[in-house]
Amino acid sequence: EEQLVESGGDLVQPGGSLRLSCAVSGFTFSRHWMTWVRQAPGKGLEWVANIKEDGSKIYYLDSVRGRFTISRDNARNSLFLQMNSLRVEDTAVYYCAGNQNYALPFWGQGTLVTVSS
Amino acid sequence: ESVLTQSPGTLSLSPGETATLSCRAGQSLDSNFLAWYQQKPGQAPRLLIHGAYNRAPGIPDRFSGSGSGTDFTLTISRLEPEDFAVYYCQQNGDHFGQGTNLEIK
Repeated sequence: EEQLVESGGDLVQPGGSLRLSCAVSGFTFSRHWMTWVRQAPGKGLEWVANIKEDGSKIYYLDSVRGRFTISRDNARNSLFLQMNSLRVEDTAVYYCAGNQNYALPFWGQGTLVTVSS
Repeated sequence: ESVLTQSPGTLSLSPGETATLSCRAGQSLDSNFLAWYQQKPGQAPRLLIHGAYNRAPGIPDRFSGSGSGTDFTLTISRLEPEDFAVYYCQQNGDHFGQGTNLEIK
């Protein structure tokens, strides 16, 4: 069974940094694009970034480009999101998800990032 | 990228009825790139449909997807109590619509 476990969410001040991690098991991590999706409190789903199987292609939501960096370690079946210059509007639950057939069949349970002074 | 617009924002129906949810793309979309998700409070989203009409494993056949070009539809027949949730469409594994809240009437 596919398992994705996010960690690293925390309370951080505006301008601060956090690094999210996602540990994957139950499917061949190195054969799938991977994605970060976030959901602000009471709001809808928002795609944040995704990364190709070998890390050679990366795409970002406009509002996070230049501040967030997605990366992966296929040897450790892990996905990462380095978040710098955090803003209040980045407050959300962040989900790690695995891609297949241009969709996201595999999801973690999410980790909460709160940006507040 | 194409913007996805879902309608209605809220749909109020009773168990046993049929729900019809719409997702409209700002420009023509390859059907392979359209997916639907269900999300219940406090839970991660669950993939229902990929490629516009292909049910994900374990999804009941009460859920069906259709459409092409710019107009796509998720139909849920014979609504069960557990079907009341928020539904999102998504294109190409990235951008989402704003969601439709299916609530019990």
